[in-house]
Amino acid sequence: DTGVSQDPRHKITKRGQNVTFRCDPISEHNRLYWYRQTLGQGPEFLTYFQNEAQLEKSRLLSDRFSAERPKGSFSTLEIQRTEQGDSAMYLCASSFARVQETQYFGPGTRLLVL
Amino acid sequence: AQKITQTQPGMFVQEKEAVTLDCTYDTSDQSYGLFWYKQPSSGEMIFLIYQGSYDEQNATEGRYSLNFQKARKSANLVISASQLGDSAMYFCAMRSHNFGNEKLTFGTGTRLTIIP
Repeated sequence: DTGVSQDPRHKITKRGQNVTFRCDPISEHNRLYWYRQTLGQGPEFLTYFQNEAQLEKSRLLSDRFSAERPKGSFSTLEIQRTEQGDSAMYLCASSFARVQETQYFGPGTRLLVL
Repeated sequence: AQKITQTQPGMFVQEKEAVTLDCTYDTSDQSYGLFWYKQPSSGEMIFLIYQGSYDEQNATEGRYSLNFQKARKSANLVISASQLGDSAMYFCAMRSHNFGNEKLTFGTGTRLTIIP
């Protein structure tokens, strides 16, 4: 039974660089979520997909952020022109759409912007 | 808007004792779900237990139980017979059952430390 996987697990980059993260959901799940977690806080919603359609984006998702899920399977989250404030843990979760759905999370990608 | 409040930043509990982690919530939705997740130092969020707003019985999963008091809008997590491996951050979260509002809203978490 394969859970949600994320790559890379850690990323250190310099301010102004672009970074891309990948998330592979549980295979039968049709929903995929991205969250951001800063130190001492709970995760905050960024965006989610149902199949390949991006259905909701948070106001936290500035123009520098873009997410895709091209074939309704894996997803990528790109941050352009990174800023120090982007340093956080980026968590991906997947679920099967139903009333009592449970989101299962991956191990996260820790981003540090220098 | 939904809001989760966890008022205990940290707790220390003796091994084998039971522990209750507090969670209160606020929502105007009639149908919603409440969740507890565990986050060890590795960072992964591990699902523990779910309670639906219309469930008449409190949810239980092994050593975990959810004390759901709808009128008080509280959803406390009870861990029985605590173990050293229970040391972690614990997050309460909720999700509306209304279409178009599928995201989880999390509290700020409680850091639980089990003392041998």
